[in-house]
Amino acid sequence: AQRVTQPEKLLSVFKGAPVELKCNYSYSGSPELFWYVQYSRQRLQLLLRHISRESIKGFTADLNKGETSFHLKKPFAQEEDSAMYYCALRERGGSEKLVFGKGTKLTVNP
Amino acid sequence: EAQVTQNPRYLITVTGKKLTVTCSQNMNHEYMSWYRQDPGLGLRQIYYSMNVEVTDKGDVPEGYKVSRKEKRNFPLILESPSPNQTSLYFCASSLQGRSYNEQFFGPGTRLTVL
Repeated sequence: AQRVTQPEKLLSVFKGAPVELKCNYSYSGSPELFWYVQYSRQRLQLLLRHISRESIKGFTADLNKGETSFHLKKPFAQEEDSAMYYCALRERGGSEKLVFGKGTKLTVNP
Repeated sequence: EAQVTQNPRYLITVTGKKLTVTCSQNMNHEYMSWYRQDPGLGLRQIYYSMNVEVTDKGDVPEGYKVSRKEKRNFPLILESPSPNQTSLYFCASSLQGRSYNEQFFGPGTRLTVL
């Protein structure tokens, strides 16, 4: 069964510090992986997907198939990065169903 | 503006009083889905639809119904709401059949069942 684990419910860093939000997945096939973000009182929105290999708002995420991980990283956190972050997995070539992790609440302190 | 809309945004009701939460998208998306978001549990899929008249259960369908009579609309029906259905509900939509499709989410409906 597909499963996404985000081990940290809460993560707190200071402005300018590096941040890494962990995501591990369990899936036997070739997954499509995403990070979604939810800012306070806003809807969820796509932050990035692993196929794009680009940096969005300074965030990057690398798929490590050996470790089955898709950690989200940013070298210098900003206060506006404070939000709820969800890692999600989709079966490649399958339905559109996304399986979400339980989320990590990131707080960036001034 | 391309978007997913939900109504109402906030609802307080009592146990057993039937209610419907509407969801509409204007992007001609085939796929639509309902999630509930609970603290510590993340987002869990309730029902989804791959096209008109095609719906299926997600991970937590008990106590919910859906219908998809038109492509743009995907209402969520609670026939007899109970307090354990107090939650934040999100509707989402996406294109179907392409890799790495982005799901677009509605603003959420906060439901309280007393």
